[in-house]
Amino acid sequence: DTGVSQDPRHKITKRGQNVTFRCDPISEHNRLYWYRQTLGQGPEFLTYFQNEAQLEKSRLLSDRFSAERPKGSFSTLEIQRTEQGDSAMYLCASSLVLAGGGNEQFFGPGTRLTVL
Amino acid sequence: SQQGEEDPQALSIQEGENATMNCSYKTSINNLQWYRQNSGRGLVHLILIRSNEREKHSGRLRVTLDTSKKSSSLLITASRAADTASYFCATDASSNTGKLIFGQGTTLQVKP
Repeated sequence: DTGVSQDPRHKITKRGQNVTFRCDPISEHNRLYWYRQTLGQGPEFLTYFQNEAQLEKSRLLSDRFSAERPKGSFSTLEIQRTEQGDSAMYLCASSLVLAGGGNEQFFGPGTRLTVL
Repeated sequence: SQQGEEDPQALSIQEGENATMNCSYKTSINNLQWYRQNSGRGLVHLILIRSNEREKHSGRLRVTLDTSKKSSSLLITASRAADTASYFCATDASSNTGKLIFGQGTTLQVKP
């Protein structure tokens, strides 16, 4: 399967615990995005990487959230001291952006986080 | 915050009928994209229309874009039960980031 993969698919944790999610993008893609989606809403942008550089972070990304893409390949999203309001689907997407091209993003299946 | 508003929020039709979903947005855009999401799953890219395009087709899908009205529509012709899903429009209004701003989506149910 050469699509975007995410791990784990589901995570249940207790409030106050730390969690880490992983995203493996399509191998030749240079951009990687993280979005968060709550029930009944569209995805909301969190952050993105161009290769290994994190170039933009949303105001939604509090200081409890950190994302990395150390070698420009896979990415991790860590949430420290989880709160019940962090419960959501976390979606990763990747794209290959070329000069003059559109930014068609390919999404992974998501990680559903439940904070008890 | 969401940029787009989609209309209707929910749509129920019979198999074989056409389904039309509308999306309005607020700022200038580079392109507008439509995605489909089956229940509890990731999003599947359907079609991208650039700001200088007015209409685009892909199989049973037809997308229009009116930048003067800041609106787009997605038409699915000859619908099938497998088209049952949520449909989202997403705008790329960035100068370079490519980040997408999604609407709240339209939930389409196609009855067999």
